[in-house]
Amino acid sequence: SQQGEEDPQALSIQEGENATMNCSYKTSINNLQWYRQNSGRGLVHLILIRSNEREKHSGRLRVTLDTSKKSSSLLITASRAADTASYFCAYQGGSEKLVFGKGTKLTVNP
Amino acid sequence: ETGVTQSPTHLIKTRGQQVTLRCSSQSGHNTVSWYQQALGQGPQFIFQYYREEENGRGNFPPRFSGLQFPNYSSELNVNALELDDSALYLCAMNRDYAYGYTFGSGTRLTVV
Repeated sequence: SQQGEEDPQALSIQEGENATMNCSYKTSINNLQWYRQNSGRGLVHLILIRSNEREKHSGRLRVTLDTSKKSSSLLITASRAADTASYFCAYQGGSEKLVFGKGTKLTVNP
Repeated sequence: ETGVTQSPTHLIKTRGQQVTLRCSSQSGHNTVSWYQQALGQGPQFIFQYYREEENGRGNFPPRFSGLQFPNYSSELNVNALELDDSALYLCAMNRDYAYGYTFGSGTRLTVV
């Protein structure tokens, strides 16, 4: 069963706007990762944040992690139509396996 | 180009049949994981291999089995296929779990 939860399930914005997606989990983690998936194909690794980090940036992406609230957020700034995809958070706890949420479907309208 | 190749890309099988899915990498990824993704859901962990040994398994029955070869390529075998096995099967590889995984493009399996 899924142990991560993304919020919202779907998000529709205009090009140029910012998109924020949230993720919650239930156990202690070593790290939390965000992935993008286009059209039901393979996942692309976006960013990894370790449990002792609070914020991380990569290009237009900003990820925060609050281990006390067991939550993370992904911010995509200045969205483009090409950012349209499903976004998944996944965490690693004591084992190496990734535990995924159900994802947020982002639509960026031109 | 992700560096991880899965084959075939699509497959249609009949209930009760057996299927073998394959995954390979051009780089020396020593860890390979397999995930099942049903439509509209997130990927679910099936199992993981590290240096040819299974070192983690999700909540899947024994009819799901796998292999990792010395060249780090891998196979996922599913016996006695059921309709609910219809899904996208994803292979993921890495050298160090602390740096994220590289996923293949997946195999879309349809069981009829």
